[in-house]
Amino acid sequence: DADVTQTPRNRITKTGKRIMLECSQTKGHDRMYWYRQDPGLGLRLIYYSFDVKDINKGEISDGYSVSRQAQAKFSLSLESAIPNQTALYFCATSARSGGAYEQYFGPGTRLTVT
Amino acid sequence: AQSVTQLGSHVSVSEGALVLLRCNYSSSVPPYLFWYVQYPNQGLQLLLKYTTGATLVKGINGFEAEFKKSETSFHLTKPSAHMSDAAEYFCAVSDGANSKLTFGKGITLSVRP
Repeated sequence: DADVTQTPRNRITKTGKRIMLECSQTKGHDRMYWYRQDPGLGLRLIYYSFDVKDINKGEISDGYSVSRQAQAKFSLSLESAIPNQTALYFCATSARSGGAYEQYFGPGTRLTVT
Repeated sequence: AQSVTQLGSHVSVSEGALVLLRCNYSSSVPPYLFWYVQYPNQGLQLLLKYTTGATLVKGINGFEAEFKKSETSFHLTKPSAHMSDAAEYFCAVSDGANSKLTFGKGITLSVRP
């Protein structure tokens, strides 16, 4: 079983719709992240959470919101989707290993906004 | 602030040839450096990391990377490419104390038969 799961894996939605992407983890990590990946731009951090009560904006948080419902669950919402939010979205967790925090990624959610 | 530069977007090699993927970083503090690999339709997987100590680090699948502080580089190499190495590769940097990563734009490796 995957340690970091994301649902849905693929989603097509229309402009203006609200959509939620969900992430669950069984790794027991406190730290969780949401990234988006666009071709030629790499991964960019949207939001991150160091524990249930600690949520922080990343470099591209405009148009997004998050909820950390439990240590194991971290959801990303697009309140009113727009076409330039079409991207591949990744959730990740992290834990310290050998002196550095390693990140563990989910399989991604491919979102298309029409 | 930290940044990562991966020059070029695509590298093509023949099977059995040397793989060299370049990564240069900028960091105001001693960096922690990572290489991740993304196979088609999958998430990112850690290949290797440098924290402190030995500057030549070995990772999975025969990859290794060398931290060169004077050149602010952390290039990824593999002596002999295999078809299964075809993927996208990302270099990333963190400041160690913080678990946030800054990623490069990635580079796609193609392997020709």
